[in-house]
Amino acid sequence: DTAVSQTPKYLVTQMGNDKSIKCEQNLGHDTMYWYKQDSKKFLKIMFSYNNKELIINETVPNRFSPKSPDKAHLNLHINSLELGDSAVYFCASSQGAGGQDEQFFGPGTRLTVL
Amino acid sequence: SQQGEEDPQALSIQEGENATMNCSYKTSINNLQWYRQNSGRGLVHLILIRSNEREKHSGRLRVTLDTSKKSSSLLITASRAADTASYFCATSDTGRRALTFGSGTRLQVQP
Repeated sequence: DTAVSQTPKYLVTQMGNDKSIKCEQNLGHDTMYWYKQDSKKFLKIMFSYNNKELIINETVPNRFSPKSPDKAHLNLHINSLELGDSAVYFCASSQGAGGQDEQFFGPGTRLTVL
Repeated sequence: SQQGEEDPQALSIQEGENATMNCSYKTSINNLQWYRQNSGRGLVHLILIRSNEREKHSGRLRVTLDTSKKSSSLLITASRAADTASYFCATSDTGRRALTFGSGTRLQVQP
């Protein structure tokens, strides 16, 4: 009964490939997020969706495209992967939009681009 | 842009001692939150303090907030080896619908 789950946990791929990371939350939350954590552990918001509507897009390259088929799912598709995309990607959810409530994080997906 | 700056970057203490971590930020906030991240895991929410609050407790955790100095501190009392983790502050900035995370403090509690 994991609250926020992500798949896969590890992803190793070649430069130029396209890959997707899936996220699901069973908390009934209205808002979901994608974060990127770099090698220095710095965590930065990428996208935020509220009730399937995009509300934050933090100057992320358009190679990254989030998709929210319903409010329990927020997937991240990445085209033409680059070496600099290597990082840990976290999905999170919260009841309210923005930073008003505590956020629940998934276990992360470690992406390695070779 | 990075909002929170945490101090120290790394802290090593003995079990039973208290650990204090500080967070400074730059803009007006609605609330400030603290999260813990164990190695290789996701972040876990610890405590949320609103801008009109000055102090909050949860178990062995005590958080203070000084909006005039734009700073917060997290105190963990009677630390345990299981408290070993990275601790992040995150601010909910006025007018921005997202959390901005600090750079984190790596805490090592020696048994």
